[in-house]
Amino acid sequence: QKEVEQDPGPLSVPEGAIVSLNCTYSNSAFQYFMWYRQYSRKGPELLMYTYSSGNKEDGRFTAQVDKSSKYISLFIRDSQPSDSATYLCATSSWGKFQFGAGTQVVVTP
Amino acid sequence: DAGVIQSPRHEVTEMGQEVTLRCKPISGHNSLFWYRQTMMRGLELLIYFNNNVPIDDSGMPEDRFSAKMPNASFSTLKIQPSEPRDSAVYFCASRGTGDTEAFFGQGTRLTVV
Repeated sequence: QKEVEQDPGPLSVPEGAIVSLNCTYSNSAFQYFMWYRQYSRKGPELLMYTYSSGNKEDGRFTAQVDKSSKYISLFIRDSQPSDSATYLCATSSWGKFQFGAGTQVVVTP
Repeated sequence: DAGVIQSPRHEVTEMGQEVTLRCKPISGHNSLFWYRQTMMRGLELLIYFNNNVPIDDSGMPEDRFSAKMPNASFSTLKIQPSEPRDSAVYFCASRGTGDTEAFFGQGTRLTVV
């Protein structure tokens, strides 16, 4: 079993809809929780990160962490076609990063 | 800063040949990671260096895979002999001391035929 589980999708939504992405993790030692965005044929880039439980908002993006249930979420409001990408959740502990499989998101005009 | 630089960007090789992938981390970063990405398995951590020392190589799939970091500005991932199932995109990433973010290179797309 992978330490970080994520539904690979694809997830297709119309422009303007809210995108909801989720991950679960198994190791309670994980301290940092991140979302990376990866465009086709590019390397992943950090989108947001949070430390411990709670919410973090950045523009149209909101990241949530619930450590009690080991659940990580990313919400994208007012989605745009430029948001079409693969979104990978990641956790970090002891310097190591563990990634979910990535969810492919397609926002259609 | 040019970011993490990987070479080559694409590599096509025949089964049984030796393949060497190269990575130049961001200057000043002290952690370096090698990942492999496939559709089936996602992004897998192969090996992690800190201050040029391998810290965790538990993700290296077989003895055919080896990685070195002779200095702070260069790392290699070698596959010998290569097999078709090694076909994937290989990413190198680096991170600075105290940073949360790992910065990824553009990846090397390896195809073994």
